[in-house]
Amino acid sequence: EAGVVQSPRYKIIEKKQPVAFWCNPISGHNTLYWYLQNLGQGPELLIRYENEEAVDDSQLPKDRFSAERLKGVDSTLKIQPAELGDSAVYLCASSLAGGPVGELFFGEGSRLTVL
Amino acid sequence: DAKTTQPPSMDCAEGRAANLPCNHSTISGNEYVYWYRQIHSQGPQYIIHGLKNNETNEMASLIITEDRKSSTLILPHATLRDTAVYYCIVRVAYSGYALNFGKGTSLLVTP
Repeated sequence: EAGVVQSPRYKIIEKKQPVAFWCNPISGHNTLYWYLQNLGQGPELLIRYENEEAVDDSQLPKDRFSAERLKGVDSTLKIQPAELGDSAVYLCASSLAGGPVGELFFGEGSRLTVL
Repeated sequence: DAKTTQPPSMDCAEGRAANLPCNHSTISGNEYVYWYRQIHSQGPQYIIHGLKNNETNEMASLIITEDRKSSTLILPHATLRDTAVYYCIVRVAYSGYALNFGKGTSLLVTP
């Protein structure tokens, strides 16, 4: 079974440009997460979806970040405009809420470099 | 969620047991201890979790103290591929709640 798929793996843009990341979760997983990971730090939650509803977006900088999960399957995270400080790895994860473990499955991440 | 404290780094010789400690003195009765690891340039990977009893799977063993204020992840025979950052996380289980990662312990397994 395929794991969580993210694209692109790497993206280099100039500041003030827009960028978008895509995530396809494991089939059947109703909960999807976007995390931000800065160099040398642990991942930090940006937003959590249950099906198509964003149930926790308190850490998402809404002035420049947006996310959507249409039809409750794949998801897109957008940054517009990007700033130098947005250089980081953006991780997507999925889980089956209410499952016996509550285990999160992570993708390999999208590494963003803003010049 | 309760906070956790881990040493920033540890070394282990290949073939020896790696014992990674974690303090979680404010853990609540319904919170589990989860361990994840992150190999360089990959996403975090689930290792094991437990409530109060010791747990073992094909990857590792988890030892939780009787008062549940601390735990130890044991990799019985560390290999070079176990070099990674290990995160100890406390969270209510059986839910879709997010994991709150700290900085973890960077484990270096040496030949």
